[in-house]
Amino acid sequence: EVQLVESGGGLVQPGGSLRLSCAASGFTFSSYDLHWVRQTPGKGLEWVSTITTAGDTYYPSSVKGRFTISREDAKNSLYLQMNSLRAGDTAVYYCARGGSSSRFAYFQHWGQGTLVTVSS
Amino acid sequence: DIQLTQSPSSLSASVGDRVTITCRASQIITSNLNWYQQKPGKAPNLLIYAASSLQSGVPSRFSGSGSGADFTLTISSLQPEDFATYYCQQTYTTPPWTFGQGTKVEVK
Repeated sequence: EVQLVESGGGLVQPGGSLRLSCAASGFTFSSYDLHWVRQTPGKGLEWVSTITTAGDTYYPSSVKGRFTISREDAKNSLYLQMNSLRAGDTAVYYCARGGSSSRFAYFQHWGQGTLVTVSS
Repeated sequence: DIQLTQSPSSLSASVGDRVTITCRASQIITSNLNWYQQKPGKAPNLLIYAASSLQSGVPSRFSGSGSGADFTLTISSLQPEDFATYYCQQTYTTPPWTFGQGTKVEVK
């Protein structure tokens, strides 16, 4: 069974940093693209970052230069380093695993999420 | 960035109803469109990928159609467990990727 478990969320002051982790099990970790998605309380979903099996990384303009996604295949772990945090970054952060298709990208499995609150 | 517009933003329906949700992209995205279901306090759950492919384990009352810029999610006969919020997502070429704003399906 595929499992993704996020950790590292919490309360941080504006301008602070936080590192999220996602521990994976139940699949060959190194074979899949991985993603972070966030959801502001009561709002919709926002894609935050992607790291491919080759290590290519992608970000939306809203977090580019502040967030860094990384993976450690030997530990079956995904990370999100978040710097210069703002109130607008307050959200539940989900990690997700990509699908098996080489032609289409989709988020096949999701973790339960971890809440990040940016407030003084 | 590619924008996705879902309609309606919310709808009221009864068990057994046929429900249709549409998603329009701001440019052609071929078939790179996915649908997710989310229940309160839970993570999203993949229903449909590549516009019309049913994710394993998802009931066959869910179906997706469309290509280009206009897409549809249909629930053929709404069940009690289907009351939730539904999101479309485009994954055309390389990121940035975007989600629609969501459609909440409520009890009539």
